[in-house]
Amino acid sequence: GAVVSQHPSRVICKSGTSVKIECRSLDFQATTMFWYRQFPKQSLMLMATSNEGSKATYEQGVEKDKFLINHASLTLSTLTVTSAHPEDSSFYICSASSWVGEKLFFGSGTQLSVL
Amino acid sequence: SQQGEEDPQALSIQEGENATMNCSYKTSINNLQWYRQNSGRGLVHLILIRSNEREKHSGRLRVTLDTSKKSSSLLITASRAADTASYFCATDAGTLTGGGNKLTFGTGTQLKVEL
Repeated sequence: GAVVSQHPSRVICKSGTSVKIECRSLDFQATTMFWYRQFPKQSLMLMATSNEGSKATYEQGVEKDKFLINHASLTLSTLTVTSAHPEDSSFYICSASSWVGEKLFFGSGTQLSVL
Repeated sequence: SQQGEEDPQALSIQEGENATMNCSYKTSINNLQWYRQNSGRGLVHLILIRSNEREKHSGRLRVTLDTSKKSSSLLITASRAADTASYFCATDAGTLTGGGNKLTFGTGTQLKVEL
């Protein structure tokens, strides 16, 4: 099946630094990528939808200047958490879809811990 | 919130027993999908059922969909310890065909299968 690679899997950073998370579709072209945030034992909350070559669409309540999303190619989307604070600590997961089918392919997630 | 509700929140059973999880949602949908998540990992797609389907099988999985009640159930038969994970339903209510629609995830059911 389709593979989505997410990197890094875990990052610990100091408050105020920026963190970039990469999401790559390895064997298919991802027309759309989604970024989710998940707190422990809770569901996934969609943060934003990104389409290749266009600006991301952010969900209500998500600060677009804080969570920068770039979808520069059909195989790569990045999420940058700018000036991270402890409240940004969470599990971030990307997913990708193509025009082959409706299901999503997920990355393995990134656990962000901001000290 | 358009997020779906799942019940039970947590389910503990013995190996060999069947596990049933229920999902309710709020809007009209194109399809409903079930995903599995192992702790600290991304999600894996299990099965998709379209709005015009009532039941679908895949191996030990059986999914039902009742669009009049806006509900779905996932049955795992002859459970195994390896089935221990969180299970999420996700609804696709978008207008695009062939992919690219965002999914709304339910609250999840944590399943524990004990030996």
